[in-house]
Amino acid sequence: QKEVEQDPGPLSVPEGAIVSLNCTYSNSAFQYFMWYRQYSRKGPELLMYTYSSGNKEDGRFTAQVDKSSKYISLFIRDSQPSDSATYLCAIASGGSYIPTFGRGTSLIVHP
Amino acid sequence: EAQVTQNPRYLITVTGKKLTVTCSQNMNHEYMSWYRQDPGLGLRQIYYSMNVEVTDKGDVPEGYKVSRKEKRNFPLILESPSPNQTSLYFCASRVTGGNGYTFGSGTRLTVV
Repeated sequence: QKEVEQDPGPLSVPEGAIVSLNCTYSNSAFQYFMWYRQYSRKGPELLMYTYSSGNKEDGRFTAQVDKSSKYISLFIRDSQPSDSATYLCAIASGGSYIPTFGRGTSLIVHP
Repeated sequence: EAQVTQNPRYLITVTGKKLTVTCSQNMNHEYMSWYRQDPGLGLRQIYYSMNVEVTDKGDVPEGYKVSRKEKRNFPLILESPSPNQTSLYFCASRVTGGNGYTFGSGTRLTVV
């Protein structure tokens, strides 16, 4: 079993929809949770970073961590065509901070 | 502008011809790393460096070399490239224990 599992999609939604992107992980030592967005032909850019269970909100984006279930989510409210990209979760343990990346979920928001 | 700069963006080469992909960051980050990204496999770490003259292997180091002689530069060296090294390569940096990486724009390498 891969340490970080992420459905590759693609996930296609209409503009304005609420999007839910998810990852599961197997290593309970993971403490740091990140979401990156990657546009086509670009490098990943950090969207959200959290190290605790619960929710963290930043504008239209909410990151949710459930350590007991080893499950993390990224919610996008009022999705826009400009949100169309691949979303990568990344999880790291304390000490090394070296992240393990999920394979990414391709999101398509159509007008 | 704070950034990680990789060169070249695109490279086509032949099997066995040594090449170097350069990476430079202007944020005074201690930690730098190289990743390759392949369809269905995601991002995999090749090598990382925690500071000048300190480097270590990632998950897929075979066929690659790195050096860290200056804090800002972290070149990736393929001494004898093979077709299975055809991939999209990313350099990234962060502060030690920091909140996440800043990635470069990528280098698309094709080895024929």
